[in-house]
Amino acid sequence: QVQLVQSGAEVKKPGASVKVSCKASGYTFTGYYMHWVRQAPGQGLEWMGRINPNSGGTNYAQKFQGRVTMTRDTSISTAYMELSRLRSDDTAVYYCAAQETWGQGTLVTVSS
Amino acid sequence: EIVLTQSPATLSLSPGERATLSCRASQSVSSYLAWYQQKPGQAPRLLIYDASNRATGIPARFSGSGSGTDFTLTISSLEPEDFAVYYCQQRSNWPPVFTFGPGTKVDIK
Repeated sequence: QVQLVQSGAEVKKPGASVKVSCKASGYTFTGYYMHWVRQAPGQGLEWMGRINPNSGGTNYAQKFQGRVTMTRDTSISTAYMELSRLRSDDTAVYYCAAQETWGQGTLVTVSS
Repeated sequence: EIVLTQSPATLSLSPGERATLSCRASQSVSSYLAWYQQKPGQAPRLLIYDASNRATGIPARFSGSGSGTDFTLTISSLEPEDFAVYYCQQRSNWPPVFTFGPGTKVDIK
């Protein structure tokens, strides 16, 4: 079955970077865009961007331009989302999503 | 940038009742509108895509309608497991952006 498995929770200091991974299985990884969405505690969903795993092409939400980098490694069917210059308001659960499937989420906590 | 508004913010209903949720876009999104359900501590689940198509495994009590700027998600008869938060999401072709609405919470009356 289609499955997306994300890396574990992270705790980072303000100004640092975080890189979250998302390993896909059960489908052709290069056939579907991988999206990244985040959700701050008690808040709604926020689309961050997407990557075309086939070409590596990306589209980022304007809010995250210059701070987010989405990459992939097709040899291991894994997508990555790196967010830099972290602030306390980046504390959120980060999800990857492809087709109709979502990962389990990765909690990133930014705290001094 | 297209902005989505959802109403009401909270809908208090009893099991068996009909739920009607609204999503309005600030400009036309054609039929590029999806609906998601999210329960506490869980990832969102796709219910409806392209305004009216049910996703895989979604029960027939969920239906979507609308086009342009006004969309509706209807749950014909609420089951206990349907009490959750519902988000609409639009996708625009250029620039490629996938904006979510603020959500509607359906809770038990």
